[in-house]
Amino acid sequence: EMVMTQSPATLSMSPGERATLSCRASQSVSSNLAWYQQKPGQAPRLLIYGASTRATGIPARFSGSGSGTEFTLTISSLQSEDFAIYYCQQYNNWPPGSFGQGTKLEIK
Amino acid sequence: QLQESGPGLLKPSETLSLTCTVSGGSISSSNYYWGWIRQPPGKGLEWVGTIYYSGSTYYNPSLKSRVTISVDTSKNQFSLNLTSVAAADTAVYYCARLIDVVVGDHWGQGTLVTVSS
Repeated sequence: EMVMTQSPATLSMSPGERATLSCRASQSVSSNLAWYQQKPGQAPRLLIYGASTRATGIPARFSGSGSGTEFTLTISSLQSEDFAIYYCQQYNNWPPGSFGQGTKLEIK
Repeated sequence: QLQESGPGLLKPSETLSLTCTVSGGSISSSNYYWGWIRQPPGKGLEWVGTIYYSGSTYYNPSLKSRVTISVDTSKNQFSLNLTSVAAADTAVYYCARLIDVVVGDHWGQGTLVTVSS
């Protein structure tokens, strides 16, 4: 069974800082990795797919990198609206398209 | 846009039935799949299953014995049935337009389904 592990569980940062979120797969998923943002009471929003391709309308401050088992989501300069929970999802080995447990990005 | 509808409260052993109405585009588009993802309160996301407009389906193995997803192209809707529900099935259920079978690029607002006696 594919396991996706995100770290850290919680990241406390200040607006304007650079945030780096990690996602590790228990086996290679090639570049079949997506990132989502979820705010309280809202549905997830797709940010990145194919490990590094920004979805439509996603600001350039969001970038994804990695392949195989190690992936990173970088937010270059945090805006107030970026504080949320972020999930990674692999879609190389499905079903299921397993999600990570999430990283909560909170204001320091 | 996608909009979920269906009962919000079920008793254990009942069947969960939800419908997702798609507007602003055709569910028969060959470019997309359609699916359901759920999220227990305060917890993470779980992919439930996916359907293509042709009727091809893909289910989460952990739910496969209880899940059926169907599509009605004439109504631009797709539906989820989950049998024999238990408290562990309490979750917000989202419908979504999917790329690459399981990646949601447009989501409904979600509907909370509570299973309680």
